[in-house]
Amino acid sequence: RKEVEQDPGPFNVPEGATVAFNCTYSNSASQSFFWYRQDCRKEPKLLMSVYSSGNEDGRFTAQLNRASQYISLLIRDSKLSDSATYLCVVRYSGGGADGLTFGKGTHLIIQP
Amino acid sequence: DARVTQTPRDKVTEMGQEVTMRCQPILGHNTVFWYRQTMKQGLELLAYFRNRAPLDDSGMPKDRFSAEMPDATLATLKIQPSEPRDSAVYFCASGSFTYNEQFFGPGTRLTVL
Repeated sequence: RKEVEQDPGPFNVPEGATVAFNCTYSNSASQSFFWYRQDCRKEPKLLMSVYSSGNEDGRFTAQLNRASQYISLLIRDSKLSDSATYLCVVRYSGGGADGLTFGKGTHLIIQP
Repeated sequence: DARVTQTPRDKVTEMGQEVTMRCQPILGHNTVFWYRQTMKQGLELLAYFRNRAPLDDSGMPKDRFSAEMPDATLATLKIQPSEPRDSAVYFCASGSFTYNEQFFGPGTRLTVL
């Protein structure tokens, strides 16, 4: 069974719209959660951490539902520059940079 | 602006040849990771080191892959002999216990013909 699952998409969304996607994880002992962003032919970069109470960073909102074992990312007022692959990342053990498990990513395309 | 560097950026080789990829982690980071990314499998962890000691290489095919850290500023991933199924983008990342983030290098795009 896959540890971190995401809908690969692509999600085709008009500019200015709101888009949301989820990620499910299988290990209930998961400790920390993150969203990474990967642009085409580039390396992944940390977008934001996901806190238990939910958190917001500008147009981006991340939510965690431990009972149902999923995390979500919502993007409001989407921009063309938001087009990228969004990787869901879960940490099961260790600390700091260790123990991260990456999902395969959700491909988002913002259309003009 | 500290960054992880990787060389070469692109490598095209023929089946059976040896391939060596190099990574310079961010100065001060004590954990180094090697990943392989393909469309089919996504990001797969191959191996990682802490303070230059290998901690986990269970994701790496042992018969042909080897990973080392000769010193704190250099990590290497070697494939010998290479096969077409090894074609992928290989990322190196570094991190530390202070931060929850892994910092990725630009990757080496490997094509084995």
